[in-house]
Amino acid sequence: EAGVAQSPRYKIIEKRQSVAFWCNPISGHATLYWYQQILGQGPKLLIQFQNNGVVDDSQLPKDRFSAERLKGVDSTLKIQPAKLEDSAVYLCASSLVAGQLNSPLHFGNGTRLTVT
Amino acid sequence: SQQGEEDPQALSIQEGENATMNCSYKTSINNLQWYRQNSGRGLVHLILIRSNEREKHSGRLRVTLDTSKKSSSLLITASRAADTASYFCATSSGNTPLVFGKGTRLSVIA
Repeated sequence: EAGVAQSPRYKIIEKRQSVAFWCNPISGHATLYWYQQILGQGPKLLIQFQNNGVVDDSQLPKDRFSAERLKGVDSTLKIQPAKLEDSAVYLCASSLVAGQLNSPLHFGNGTRLTVT
Repeated sequence: SQQGEEDPQALSIQEGENATMNCSYKTSINNLQWYRQNSGRGLVHLILIRSNEREKHSGRLRVTLDTSKKSSSLLITASRAADTASYFCATSSGNTPLVFGKGTRLSVIA
């Protein structure tokens, strides 16, 4: 089975610019997640989708971050405008079973964002 | 917020030795999962242990869970250079999203 696909792998932008990341989950996986991983730390959940609906976006900085999963398959995460502290790896993950209970996550290789 | 806290933060061992990493958490859980992350890559799921289980094995991996102490350990036996990676525990509680710790960086020296 193909894994979670993410693009681009790397992105360098200046502060106050905008950037978008794309994710295509494993086929048939209903749940999709975006995580932010700052260097030396564990992943922090930004947003969770169940099909095309948002389940949890409590830690998403909504003044600058937005995400969508219009057709319940692939997803985009956007940052506008970017700040220096947004420099991190943005990881997309998906899971087969609805919700979190007893359901392992499958991660993509992430997009490394550097804001200068 | 990060519920799981791994200990130690970094561990360096010789190939063939065993590596033990610990994870402590604060609230009751549905299950606890361990993931591995190689440098520059995404996380890979290793093993899941449910709250009513005490021990689980998968190949060279052994995971224990002590819910009374709110702690778990991951043991990698007969380590190999390819085991060099960061290891994260993640907890599932109620309907809240999976929460990851800060990880343990394991270096296995050939």
